[in-house]
Amino acid sequence: QQPVQSPQAVILREGEDAVINCSSSKALYSVHWYRQKHGEAPVFLMILLKGGEQKGHDKISASFNEKKQQSSLYLTASQLSYSGTYFCGTENSGGSNYKLTFGKGTLLTVNP
Amino acid sequence: SQTIHQWPATLVQPVGSPLSLECTVEGTSNPNLYWYRQAAGRGLQLLFYSVGIGQISSEVPQNLSASRPQDRQFILSSKKLLLSDSGFYLCAWGPGTYSPLHFGNGTRLTVT
Repeated sequence: QQPVQSPQAVILREGEDAVINCSSSKALYSVHWYRQKHGEAPVFLMILLKGGEQKGHDKISASFNEKKQQSSLYLTASQLSYSGTYFCGTENSGGSNYKLTFGKGTLLTVNP
Repeated sequence: SQTIHQWPATLVQPVGSPLSLECTVEGTSNPNLYWYRQAAGRGLQLLFYSVGIGQISSEVPQNLSASRPQDRQFILSSKKLLLSDSGFYLCAWGPGTYSPLHFGNGTRLTVT
Protein backbone atom coordinates (compact mmCIF):
# COMPACT_ATOMS: atom_id res chain seq x y z
CA GLN A 1 0.00 0.00 0.00
CA GLN A 2 1.57 3.26 -1.16
CA PRO A 3 1.92 5.90 1.56
CA VAL A 4 0.47 9.34 0.93
CA GLN A 5 2.77 12.35 1.12
CA SER A 6 1.81 15.97 1.57
CA PRO A 7 2.34 18.55 0.34
CA GLN A 8 3.24 17.60 -3.22
CA ALA A 9 5.50 20.61 -3.53
CA VAL A 10 6.77 23.44 -1.37
CA ILE A 11 8.86 26.52 -2.12
CA LEU A 12 10.92 28.13 0.61
CA ARG A 13 13.33 30.97 1.03
CA GLU A 14 16.64 30.09 2.59
CA GLY A 15 16.30 29.95 6.36
CA GLU A 16 12.61 29.04 6.41
CA ASP A 17 11.18 25.85 7.87
CA ALA A 18 9.12 23.10 6.24
CA VAL A 19 7.21 20.00 7.29
CA ILE A 20 6.55 17.03 5.03
CA ASN A 21 3.98 14.48 6.07
CA CYS A 22 3.63 10.80 5.26
CA SER A 23 0.64 8.67 6.15
CA SER A 24 -0.39 5.09 5.57
CA SER A 25 -3.73 3.30 5.62
CA LYS A 26 -2.02 0.20 7.00
CA ALA A 27 -0.09 -0.40 10.19
CA LEU A 28 3.52 0.67 9.93
CA TYR A 29 6.59 -0.97 11.33
CA SER A 30 9.12 1.48 10.03
CA VAL A 31 9.35 4.66 7.99
CA HIS A 32 12.32 5.67 5.86
CA TRP A 33 13.10 9.11 4.49
CA TYR A 34 15.19 9.74 1.36
CA ARG A 35 16.16 12.79 -0.66
CA GLN A 36 16.67 12.74 -4.40
CA LYS A 37 18.40 15.44 -6.38
CA HIS A 38 17.33 15.85 -9.99
CA GLY A 39 18.76 13.08 -12.18
CA GLU A 40 20.42 11.32 -9.27
CA ALA A 41 19.66 8.33 -7.10
CA PRO A 42 17.79 8.76 -3.81
CA VAL A 43 19.97 9.15 -0.74
CA PHE A 44 19.02 7.77 2.64
CA LEU A 45 18.31 10.33 5.37
CA MET A 46 16.95 8.38 8.30
CA ILE A 47 14.83 5.46 9.41
CA LEU A 48 12.33 5.43 12.23
CA LEU A 49 11.24 2.20 13.78
CA LYS A 50 8.08 1.18 15.53
CA GLY A 51 7.83 2.74 18.94
CA GLY A 52 7.10 6.36 18.12
CA GLU A 53 10.65 7.52 18.00
CA GLN A 54 12.12 10.74 16.80
CA LYS A 55 15.41 11.27 15.08
CA GLY A 56 17.54 14.18 14.04
CA HIS A 57 20.18 14.70 11.40
CA ASP A 58 21.75 18.14 11.42
CA LYS A 59 18.74 20.44 11.00
CA ILE A 60 16.54 17.71 9.58
CA SER A 61 14.52 15.64 12.00
CA ALA A 62 11.57 13.28 11.85
CA SER A 63 8.89 11.81 14.02
CA PHE A 64 6.89 8.59 13.77
CA ASN A 65 3.47 8.22 15.31
CA GLU A 66 2.71 4.54 15.15
CA LYS A 67 -0.87 4.87 16.36
CA LYS A 68 -1.74 7.46 13.74
CA GLN A 69 0.30 5.59 11.12
CA GLN A 70 2.03 8.83 10.24
CA SER A 71 5.49 10.27 10.01
CA SER A 72 6.65 13.83 9.54
CA LEU A 73 9.95 15.21 8.31
CA TYR A 74 10.99 18.58 9.71
CA LEU A 75 13.47 20.80 7.91
CA THR A 76 14.53 23.81 9.92
CA ALA A 77 16.50 26.85 8.78
CA SER A 78 16.53 25.43 5.27
CA GLN A 79 19.64 25.67 3.13
CA LEU A 80 19.94 25.74 -0.65
CA SER A 81 21.33 22.21 -0.49
CA TYR A 82 18.03 20.95 0.92
CA SER A 83 16.38 21.33 -2.47
CA GLY A 84 15.23 18.07 -4.00
CA THR A 85 12.43 15.55 -3.87
CA TYR A 86 11.78 13.90 -0.53
CA PHE A 87 10.35 10.43 -0.39
CA CYS A 88 9.01 8.49 2.51
CA GLY A 89 9.17 4.72 2.31
CA THR A 90 7.15 2.43 4.50
CA GLU A 91 7.43 -1.13 5.71
CA ASN A 92 4.12 -2.53 6.84
CA SER A 93 3.92 -4.83 9.79
CA GLY A 94 2.07 -8.05 9.33
CA GLY A 95 3.18 -8.68 5.79
CA SER A 96 6.48 -9.16 4.04
CA ASN A 97 9.08 -7.13 5.83
CA TYR A 98 11.47 -7.09 2.93
CA LYS A 99 9.93 -4.48 0.69
CA LEU A 100 9.87 -0.73 0.95
CA THR A 101 6.97 1.11 -0.68
CA PHE A 102 7.51 4.77 -1.47
CA GLY A 103 5.15 7.71 -1.64
CA LYS A 104 4.97 9.94 -4.70
CA GLY A 105 7.41 12.42 -3.25
CA THR A 106 7.45 16.06 -2.16
CA LEU A 107 9.39 18.51 -4.31
CA LEU A 108 11.17 21.02 -2.09
CA THR A 109 12.69 24.12 -3.65
CA VAL A 110 14.80 26.43 -1.54
CA ASN A 111 15.48 29.83 -3.08
CA PRO A 112 18.09 32.39 -1.99
CA SER B 1 32.76 -1.09 2.16
CA GLN B 2 29.76 -1.99 0.08
CA THR B 3 29.21 -0.65 -3.41
CA ILE B 4 26.46 -1.11 -5.97
CA HIS B 5 27.04 -0.98 -9.71
CA GLN B 6 24.32 -0.49 -12.26
CA TRP B 7 24.68 -0.24 -16.02
CA PRO B 8 24.26 1.13 -18.54
CA ALA B 9 23.68 4.71 -17.38
CA THR B 10 21.53 5.58 -20.39
CA LEU B 11 19.84 3.49 -23.00
CA VAL B 12 17.72 4.25 -26.05
CA GLN B 13 15.84 1.29 -27.45
CA PRO B 14 13.15 0.91 -30.14
CA VAL B 15 9.73 -0.43 -29.32
CA GLY B 16 9.67 -4.21 -29.49
CA SER B 17 13.36 -4.67 -28.76
CA PRO B 18 14.63 -6.71 -25.79
CA LEU B 19 16.08 -5.25 -22.60
CA SER B 20 18.65 -6.35 -20.10
CA LEU B 21 19.77 -4.16 -17.19
CA GLU B 22 22.31 -5.48 -14.75
CA CYS B 23 23.07 -4.64 -11.16
CA THR B 24 25.80 -6.03 -8.94
CA VAL B 25 26.66 -5.45 -5.31
CA GLU B 26 30.11 -5.76 -3.79
CA GLY B 27 31.27 -6.05 -0.22
CA THR B 28 28.31 -7.88 1.27
CA SER B 29 26.65 -11.25 1.08
CA ASN B 30 23.00 -12.30 0.77
CA PRO B 31 21.68 -8.77 0.30
CA ASN B 32 18.04 -8.00 -0.39
CA LEU B 33 17.87 -6.62 -3.92
CA TYR B 34 15.29 -4.36 -5.49
CA TRP B 35 14.33 -2.87 -8.86
CA TYR B 36 12.40 0.40 -8.83
CA ARG B 37 11.16 2.48 -11.74
CA GLN B 38 10.59 6.20 -11.73
CA ALA B 39 8.58 7.73 -14.57
CA ALA B 40 9.28 11.37 -15.38
CA GLY B 41 8.27 13.51 -12.42
CA ARG B 42 6.74 10.54 -10.61
CA GLY B 43 7.41 8.53 -7.52
CA LEU B 44 9.41 5.35 -7.03
CA GLN B 45 7.49 2.29 -8.11
CA LEU B 46 8.71 -1.05 -6.77
CA LEU B 47 8.93 -3.58 -9.59
CA PHE B 48 10.72 -6.61 -8.13
CA TYR B 49 12.54 -7.61 -5.00
CA SER B 50 14.61 -10.63 -4.04
CA VAL B 51 15.71 -12.00 -0.69
CA GLY B 52 17.92 -14.75 -2.14
CA ILE B 53 19.21 -16.49 -5.25
CA GLY B 54 16.35 -17.50 -7.50
CA GLN B 55 13.76 -15.87 -5.21
CA ILE B 56 11.92 -13.11 -7.04
CA SER B 57 8.79 -11.31 -5.92
CA SER B 58 6.92 -9.28 -8.51
CA GLU B 59 4.97 -6.23 -7.48
CA VAL B 60 3.54 -5.06 -10.77
CA PRO B 61 2.30 -7.35 -13.56
CA GLN B 62 3.87 -6.17 -16.79
CA ASN B 63 6.15 -7.23 -19.57
CA LEU B 64 9.24 -7.01 -17.38
CA SER B 65 10.92 -9.84 -15.52
CA ALA B 66 13.78 -10.12 -13.06
CA SER B 67 16.32 -12.78 -12.24
CA ARG B 68 18.96 -13.31 -9.61
CA PRO B 69 21.43 -15.84 -11.00
CA GLN B 70 24.06 -15.11 -8.36
CA ASP B 71 23.94 -13.85 -4.79
CA ARG B 72 24.95 -10.30 -5.65
CA GLN B 73 23.62 -10.00 -9.19
CA PHE B 74 20.17 -8.78 -10.15
CA ILE B 75 18.97 -8.52 -13.74
CA LEU B 76 15.93 -6.78 -15.17
CA SER B 77 14.74 -8.00 -18.55
CA SER B 78 12.09 -7.62 -21.16
CA LYS B 79 11.46 -9.56 -24.34
CA LYS B 80 9.67 -6.69 -26.08
CA LEU B 81 9.80 -3.13 -24.85
CA LEU B 82 6.77 -0.84 -24.86
CA LEU B 83 6.76 2.96 -25.01
CA SER B 84 5.42 2.95 -21.46
CA ASP B 85 8.58 1.19 -20.25
CA SER B 86 10.52 4.45 -20.55
CA GLY B 87 11.77 5.76 -17.25
CA PHE B 88 14.55 5.86 -14.71
CA TYR B 89 15.35 2.39 -13.41
CA LEU B 90 17.00 2.10 -10.04
CA CYS B 91 18.55 -0.94 -8.47
CA ALA B 92 18.93 -0.97 -4.69
CA TRP B 93 20.24 -3.25 -2.01
CA GLY B 94 19.63 -3.56 1.69
CA PRO B 95 21.15 -5.77 4.39
CA GLY B 96 17.75 -6.85 5.66
CA THR B 97 14.47 -5.71 6.97
CA TYR B 98 14.29 -2.37 8.81
CA SER B 99 17.56 -1.25 7.25
CA PRO B 100 18.29 1.56 4.78
CA LEU B 101 18.27 0.92 1.07
CA HIS B 102 21.29 1.92 -0.98
CA PHE B 103 20.59 2.84 -4.57
CA GLY B 104 22.68 2.51 -7.69
CA ASN B 105 23.10 5.48 -10.00
CA GLY B 106 20.21 4.36 -12.18
CA THR B 107 19.61 3.68 -15.86
CA ARG B 108 17.67 6.19 -17.90
CA LEU B 109 15.75 4.18 -20.49
CA THR B 110 14.05 5.82 -23.44
CA VAL B 111 11.89 3.64 -25.64
CA THR B 112 11.32 5.19 -29.07
